[in-house]
Amino acid sequence: AQKVTQAQTEISVVEKEDVTLDCVYETRDTTYYLFWYKQPPSGELVFLIRRNSFDEQNEISGRYSWNFQKSTSSFNFTITASQVVDSAVYFCALSEGGGTGAGSYQLTFGKGTKLSVIP
Amino acid sequence: KAGVTQTPRYLIKTRGQQVTLSCSPISGHRSVSWYQQTPGQGLQFLFEYFSETQRNKGNFPGRFSGRQFSNSRSEMNVSTLELGDSALYLCASSRGDGGYTFGSGTRLTVV
Repeated sequence: AQKVTQAQTEISVVEKEDVTLDCVYETRDTTYYLFWYKQPPSGELVFLIRRNSFDEQNEISGRYSWNFQKSTSSFNFTITASQVVDSAVYFCALSEGGGTGAGSYQLTFGKGTKLSVIP
Repeated sequence: KAGVTQTPRYLIKTRGQQVTLSCSPISGHRSVSWYQQTPGQGLQFLFEYFSETQRNKGNFPGRFSGRQFSNSRSEMNVSTLELGDSALYLCASSRGDGGYTFGSGTRLTVV
């Protein structure tokens, strides 16, 4: 069974501080995808990144960076120089890379981390 | 490029009633998935449709059902509503490669 754990329920930082959101996952599959989504108060889940299990390269996109470590089953997300607009709930998610038997890529989500950036 | 459109955005229903929610995927996307989000249980997978066929289903009672039309639009139906069905229902569309784009959701309140 797949499981995603986001141990941090809520985090508050002052604007311009760096913040790291933790994600630990469990899966028996060797091929899988990891995702991060952002959910602002409007409710829509905004896609941030997808990474497959064979690509452990860290990625940087503007102020966002991701650290994928298979050895510790972690996929952490860092926001550098946080801004008030970064305030949202962030979800880490996992899907089987090969899909289920019928080719379906069901997402298993963590409980989310609510980030508040204080001006 | 239009995103995923869910209607209605808000809905209030009475216990025992039934409700139908609609999702229009991104043009060209043939897969539509539905998720329920509640404060207690978080985001949970309901089901996925691909080319009008349900190919995966989550652990929800039979009161939750769905369908997909030939134009890939999908509807989900909840019969005999219970207070615990109050939630944000999110739809996601995909080309079938595991990448998902979500809509803004339908917030259902059961009173």
